[in-house]
Amino acid sequence: QKEVEQDPGPLSVPEGAIVSLNCTYSNSAFQYFMWYRQYSRKGPELLMYTYSSGNKEDGRFTAQVDKSSKYISLFIRDSQPSDSATYLCAMTTYPPRPDRLTFGKGTHLIIQP
Amino acid sequence: DGGITQSPKYLFRKEGQNVTLSCEQNLNHDAMYWYRQDPGQGLRLIYYSQIVNDFQKGDIAEGYSVSREKKESFPLTVTSAQKNPTAFYLCASKRGQGQPQHFGDGTRLSIL
Repeated sequence: QKEVEQDPGPLSVPEGAIVSLNCTYSNSAFQYFMWYRQYSRKGPELLMYTYSSGNKEDGRFTAQVDKSSKYISLFIRDSQPSDSATYLCAMTTYPPRPDRLTFGKGTHLIIQP
Repeated sequence: DGGITQSPKYLFRKEGQNVTLSCEQNLNHDAMYWYRQDPGQGLRLIYYSQIVNDFQKGDIAEGYSVSREKKESFPLTVTSAQKNPTAFYLCASKRGQGQPQHFGDGTRLSIL
């Protein structure tokens, strides 16, 4: 079983829809969770950063962590064509030992105008 | 502007040649990382450094070397021993323990 599982997609939705992106993980020691957005031929850009369980909202983006189910989600409201990108989840233990991230392979999202 | 600068954007390597990828950050971050990204493989860690003059191997260090002589710089050398170097290389840095990593815009390396 891989440490972090993420559906590669592509996930195609119409403009304005709510998008749900998800990752599951197997290591119960993970405590810090991140979502990155990566456009083609660019580096990943940090979108959301959360610690432990719960929800965090930033504009149209909401990150949700359910540690009991080992499941994290990123919701995008009022999706726009500019949201079309690959979304990577990442996580690390607390304390970070060793100080490194474990990444999902990314979900390719397409927002249709 | 503060950020992470990778250069060059595109690089071509001949057989038997070593090439060096540059990564510079002006964020005053302590830790720096090198990843390799291949289609369908996700990000794989090559080397990382938590402090100047110290670095550790990641999961795929064979055929690569690094140095960390200055806090702001973490160059990666792809040696001739790396038989499949064609990939997108990403550099990242972060401020300290428990902080998220921030990435540069990558260098795409190809074989001539």
